[in-house]
Amino acid sequence: GGIITQTPKFLIGQEGQKLTLKCQQNFNHDTMYWYRQDSGKGLRLIYYSITENDLQKGDLSEGYDASREKKSSFSLTVTSAQKNEMAVFLCASSWGGAEQFFGPGTRLTVL
Amino acid sequence: GQQVQQSPASLVLQEGENAELQCNFSSTATRLQWFYQHPGGRLVSLFYNPSGTKHTGRLTSTTVTNERRSSLHISSSQTTDSGTYFCAIDLNTGNYKYVFGAGTRLKVIA
Repeated sequence: GGIITQTPKFLIGQEGQKLTLKCQQNFNHDTMYWYRQDSGKGLRLIYYSITENDLQKGDLSEGYDASREKKSSFSLTVTSAQKNEMAVFLCASSWGGAEQFFGPGTRLTVL
Repeated sequence: GQQVQQSPASLVLQEGENAELQCNFSSTATRLQWFYQHPGGRLVSLFYNPSGTKHTGRLTSTTVTNERRSSLHISSSQTTDSGTYFCAIDLNTGNYKYVFGAGTRLKVIA
């Protein structure tokens, strides 16, 4: 089996700050995803990447950038942190868009 | 309207009762997955089930693709089944973009 790791586990930033979240997977999956989950809500797709160097926007991409540095890693940048985007950010990976496996999440707090 | 609708939004069961969770979607789904999330926890994949019926332990997932619905049946519920259940669907053929339902919050009491 494989594993997905996300760093950091908790991220605290100031309003307006640029913040970066990282995700690594060792499944050798081609597709990776970033989702945002607000408290008590479902998941919304921010960005996804079908293969290395590919980048696709989800429904919530405004205010975020992403980078697929290599097949095993996918980073998400909050370009200017806002108080209303405090949430848990979840990374996932899959092979060919099939069954997704999730990481433990990064909890973002904006002061 | 919503592309993926889950029902009920919440459910309370006595331990030992059965539950049926529903997921309805607005267009043809090529990929469908059920997840479980414990409060504050990671999403755990229960089933990848774009069509047909799958079983694991006390859980059964049935997807009827041409009727645009899927169900998750939990038999003989236990307090450890408490949490939120999500279905997620890839609504466009060849597109790896998943849409999640809002979830069903299940509480099982002893």
